[in-house]
Formats: sequence, C-alpha cells, structure tokens
Amino acid sequence: AQRVTQPEKLLSVFKGAPVELKCNYSYSGSPELFWYVQYSRQRLQLLLRHISRESIKGFTADLNKGETSFHLKKPFAQEEDSAMYYCALSGYNNNDMRFGAGTRLTVKP
Amino acid sequence: EAGVTQSPTHLIKTRGQQATLRCSPISGHTSVYWYQQALGLGLQFLLWYDEGEERNRGNFPPRFSGRQFPNYSSELNVNALELEDSALYLCASSFARNEKLFFGSGTQLSVL
Repeated sequence: AQRVTQPEKLLSVFKGAPVELKCNYSYSGSPELFWYVQYSRQRLQLLLRHISRESIKGFTADLNKGETSFHLKKPFAQEEDSAMYYCALSGYNNNDMRFGAGTRLTVKP
Repeated sequence: EAGVTQSPTHLIKTRGQQATLRCSPISGHTSVYWYQQALGLGLQFLLWYDEGEERNRGNFPPRFSGRQFPNYSSELNVNALELEDSALYLCASSFARNEKLFFGSGTQLSVL
C-alpha cells in the first residue's frame, strides 16, 4: 500500500526566503507524485506533478527514488504562496490517489 | 465548463442517523474519488469509483459505502453516524487513471 508523509504540519518563512516543503513516500511500485495546494477559501487544486517536470508559480519538485522523496521548493517565497500544501501519490498498480497530512505554509511580510 | 459539484454544502445529523452525500463529476470524467478531511488529519482516502465500479476503498468501516451511477455521478452513504464522522467530505474526479484530480467544494457533515 502507498503511504505519504509530510513531516511538517506548519512552516513559516519570511518573504523572499527560500522554502522547502518535505514529502516522503513509500510504495513498492512505480509512483506518480503530485503536489496539490489549497489557498484560503478556494478548492484544492493541482500545483504540479513530477512527470511534467515543470515549474509552476516558481515551485519545483524533484522525485528522488533513492530517498523516496518529492520535496517542493521555491527559491524566493511570496506572501501569496501562503496556503495548505498536500503531497499525493498514485501508483500504476493501484491508482487511487493518497494524500499526506498537509503542510500549512505562512509567508510573512 | 462546470466543475465538480457536491451537495448539500452542509448537513447536520444526529448520532445513529444516515447521511447521503452527492457528487457530480466534470463532464467526461469517469473516475470519482471520495475523501474525508477531519480537522488536523489531512485527506483520508475513502472510496474510488471508475466506470461504475468500486475500484478500491480506504481503511474505513463498512458503514461507509457508495455507488457510481451510469452518468458517472456518485453518492456516498454513511450509516449509523457517529460523532467522529463529523468532517468535510471532498469529492474529486479525473478523466483517466493517474491523471490529476479536480476537487469539489465539499460537504460539511456535522453529527450531533
């Protein structure tokens, strides 16, 4: 069974500082990793997925199969990045999407 | 394009009653997922339906059940409600396996 761990429930940084939201996973097969974000009073929505290898709103995430991690990074945080971030995993053998507990990011001015 | 719609927005029940939550996926999406979002616990996977069939269920008791209709809309039923069932229930849809999920706004269930 797949499992997603986000070790930090809360993360606070100052505007302009780098930010890294950690995500570790366990899955015996080949995983598909995602980051979802929920801004205040908005629906949960996809931020990025590892297969796309793209940067969205300045965020990037690299899949490290050796460390079973998919950390989300941004070099210069902005106040509008304040939100709840969820890491999620879908497996090719068992395709339901499993989510971590989430990390609430606060970017202070 | 209409997004994923869930009804009702809020639902208040008493312990022991039954609750029915509904979800309409985005047109063309055949997969529907249900999640429970209790305070501080993130999204707990409940059920996954694809092409009218239940494909997988999470670690929840059998009193949590559901179905998917021929038009791909879905229903989540919770029987014998308990106080700890109070949570936000989110529905999501996708057009294929391993594709991104589109979420609804959720149904806030309160069990008194």
